[in-house]
Amino acid sequence: DAGVTQSPTHLIKTRGQHVTLRCSPISGHKSVSWYQQVLGQGPQFIFQYYEKEERGRGNFPDRFSARQFPNYSSELNVNALLLGDSALYLCASSLQATNTEAFFGQGTRLTVV
Amino acid sequence: GENVEQHPSTLSVQEGDSAVIKCTYSDSASNYFPWYKQELGKGSQLIIDIRSNVGEKKDQRIAVTLNKTAKHFSLHITETQPEDSAVYFCAATTGSGGSQGNLIFGKGTKLSVKP
Repeated sequence: DAGVTQSPTHLIKTRGQHVTLRCSPISGHKSVSWYQQVLGQGPQFIFQYYEKEERGRGNFPDRFSARQFPNYSSELNVNALLLGDSALYLCASSLQATNTEAFFGQGTRLTVV
Repeated sequence: GENVEQHPSTLSVQEGDSAVIKCTYSDSASNYFPWYKQELGKGSQLIIDIRSNVGEKKDQRIAVTLNKTAKHFSLHITETQPEDSAVYFCAATTGSGGSQGNLIFGKGTKLSVKP
């Protein structure tokens, strides 16, 4: 069984550009959450989607948006990139909306130059 | 909101020794506490978790203990091996999902096991 898959694995963007990150959850999992992890810190919650609806949003600006598709895969979009957006973006999937037993993908390393 | 503190930030042990990582949390409503092992190129692996109705849970060389009164939980790794070297994160959640029920992580502990 495939785990959580994220693409791309690495990405370099210029300030002001837009980026789209993708995540496919474990088969059967309906909840997808996005986290940002900057160097030396733990992951920080950005969004949760469950059954294609936004369940929660962390303390991130409106430049960050996400959506979940009918097959439960998800996209995270970031507009007007800033240098400070450079981080590892992690996607986690879980069976329920409760975030218990959440499984993470390998992440997308985004570098903004 | 929830706040999770994790100590130490780095830990170096000899192969075969035990390693202990401690976390404290602030929200008494938190009831689920997972531990993740993060390795470069391998993502974050859920290695063990514990719910608030249990005081201890073991899985081979790994154990987690929870003290609800003191609001702290610990990861214990016995007979450490070089492949245990990684960054370990603790997390806490109320388990309700959404903005208030997402996972709150500690800052991580870099464990080095010397052969």
